[in-house]
Amino acid sequence: GQNIDQPTEMTATEGAIVQINCTYQTSGFNGLFWYQQHAGEAPTFLSYNVLDGLEEKGRFSSFLSRSKGYSYLLLKELQMKDSASYLCAVRERSGYSTLTFGKGTMLLVSP
Amino acid sequence: DTEVTQTPKHLVMGMTNKKSLKCEQHMGHRAMYWYKQKAKKPPELMFVYSYEKLSINESVPSRFSPECPNSSLLNLHLHALQPEDSALYLCASSQTPPGVSTDTQYFGPGTRLTVL
Repeated sequence: GQNIDQPTEMTATEGAIVQINCTYQTSGFNGLFWYQQHAGEAPTFLSYNVLDGLEEKGRFSSFLSRSKGYSYLLLKELQMKDSASYLCAVRERSGYSTLTFGKGTMLLVSP
Repeated sequence: DTEVTQTPKHLVMGMTNKKSLKCEQHMGHRAMYWYKQKAKKPPELMFVYSYEKLSINESVPSRFSPECPNSSLLNLHLHALQPEDSALYLCASSQTPPGVSTDTQYFGPGTRLTVL
């Protein structure tokens, strides 16, 4: 079976830092992706981890611990436009790039 | 350029209609995907095409019929849909399907489908 857990909703203030956690229990693992999705729009790729450790990309960083089945997305210097749903997705199958998505975390950034 | 385009943006159809959704990418990607997304839910995989051949069908009802005419185009033919099929239909593509660990899927803007 497969299980990907994220908090349903988080709130934060403009300029702050927020960490969105994702835990997974999947039959296979071949990488973890974070996507951002604004309401009514397509998911946009943010980051990818396949090895343990931290990947940094500007204001966004993503961390992975494969032994713990755990990842987080760190957003720094929050802006109002960061209000969106953040989807954690695991690639399970070897040989194919199929993704299994978590239910997403709705982040609300307030002034 | 990481653009995937989809047409139409919005579609309203009756249960007896036949319509098609279209997806196009010019990134040279060889894998293309259809997802269905209901409100406040994550995308759910429907189909995967790998090198223009259907490689994964996630037990999707036959009223949804995918087609990949060439490496840049992906269609989803719709017939006799039900109101519960109303959703955002997302197309995605990735460079190479098998065994490429850094492969990333890029999504199109989606088609918002309403079935009356």
